[in-house]
This record gives sequence, C-alpha cells and structure tokens, in this order.
Amino acid sequence: AQSVTQLDSHVSVSEGTPVLLRCNYSSSYSPSLFWYVQHPNKGLQLLLKYTSAATLVKGINGFEAEFKKSETSFHLTKPSAHMSDAAEYFCVVSSMDSNYQLIWGAGTKLIIKP
Amino acid sequence: DSGVTQTPKHLITATGQRVTLRCSPRSGDLSVYWYQQSLDQGLQFLIQYYNGEERAKGNILERFSAQQFPDLHSELNLSSLELGDSALYFCASSVAFGGAYEQYFGPGTRLTVT
Repeated sequence: AQSVTQLDSHVSVSEGTPVLLRCNYSSSYSPSLFWYVQHPNKGLQLLLKYTSAATLVKGINGFEAEFKKSETSFHLTKPSAHMSDAAEYFCVVSSMDSNYQLIWGAGTKLIIKP
Repeated sequence: DSGVTQTPKHLITATGQRVTLRCSPRSGDLSVYWYQQSLDQGLQFLIQYYNGEERAKGNILERFSAQQFPDLHSELNLSSLELGDSALYFCASSVAFGGAYEQYFGPGTRLTVT
C-alpha cells in the first residue's frame, strides 16, 4: 500500500538558518512526489514536484528536495529561512498504487524564530 | 493566483441546512477535485471529476454530493449539515489525472455550521 509520512509535526528554526522538513514514502511503483505549502488562512500552493527526471528538484522561493530511492525519502530543504516561510508544508505521493490519487502527509508546521 | 476560483469565500449556516459550493477550474483543466480540511482530521480528499464524469471517491459522506457541468465548473452540495461539517473546503484542478499532473488549488470556502 502507498503511504507518506512526515516525520515532524512541527519544526522551529531561526531566521537565516537552514530548513529541513522530512518526508518518507512507500510505493510499489515509481512515484511522483510533491511538496505543497499552505500559509495561514490561504490555499495550497505547489512548491515543487518530482516525476522521475532529475533527483534534485528545485522549487519556488529557494526550496529544493532530493529524491532518494534507496532511503524512500523526499526531504525538503532551504539554505536560509525567511520569516515569510512560516507555513504548513505537505508532502504528497502518487503512483499506480493509489490509482494516481494524491496521498497526503499529515503536514509539518514550520515556525521561524526572529 | 492559481487560476482556480471558488465561491463563496465564507458561508455561515445552521444545522440541518443545505449549501452549495462552487468551483471554476483553471482554463484548460479537465479534472476537478474537492477536499475538506478541518483541524481534527487534516486534509481529506472527497471526490474527483474528469470531464464531467466521476473519477474517484474518497471520504465523502452520503449527505454530500458533487457534479461537474459541461462548462467544467463543479459544485459540491452539502445537506443535513452538522456542526462537524464546519471546515475549509478546497477545490483543485489539473489538466488530466495521473501522477505527473499537479493539482492547483483554489482559495477555499470556509463553512461554519452553527
């Protein structure tokens, strides 16, 4: 069965320090993987996606994620956090396992300390 | 701005009532998805339509129904409303369905049942 696990429900970093949001997935087939961001009282916005091309994927706002098949991970990183990055982040997986429906992680709330 | 529009933005109604939420997908997108987001249950997939036909069902209650019209806009009908139906309802659209097609989300309709 397909699943996605976001390992931290909350992550707190200081402004200007690196961000790491962790995501592990399970899938019997080659997955597509996405990261979405939701700012307070806003809709969901696509940050980046992986669909079997380059394993290092660059997204908007300086975020990137690396697909590691051997570790079944798709962690989201950013070199330097900004106050505007405070939001909830969702890791999403899709494959033939789920008939290509998106399977959503529970979300990680990113808190930025000044 | 994702190009997906949802109306109304806010809706306050009483228990037992019926409401209709409306969604217009991005120009050119054939697939529409409905999601419910609440504090206790997170983001839940409800239902998907593709070019007017129901494509997939998620955790949609029998009191809820949806349809996609020939002009591709979609409506989500919620009836016999209960307090627990209070949530953010998101519509998303994609070009087609399948793992590589990312979904674009509207701003949501906040439903409050009193």
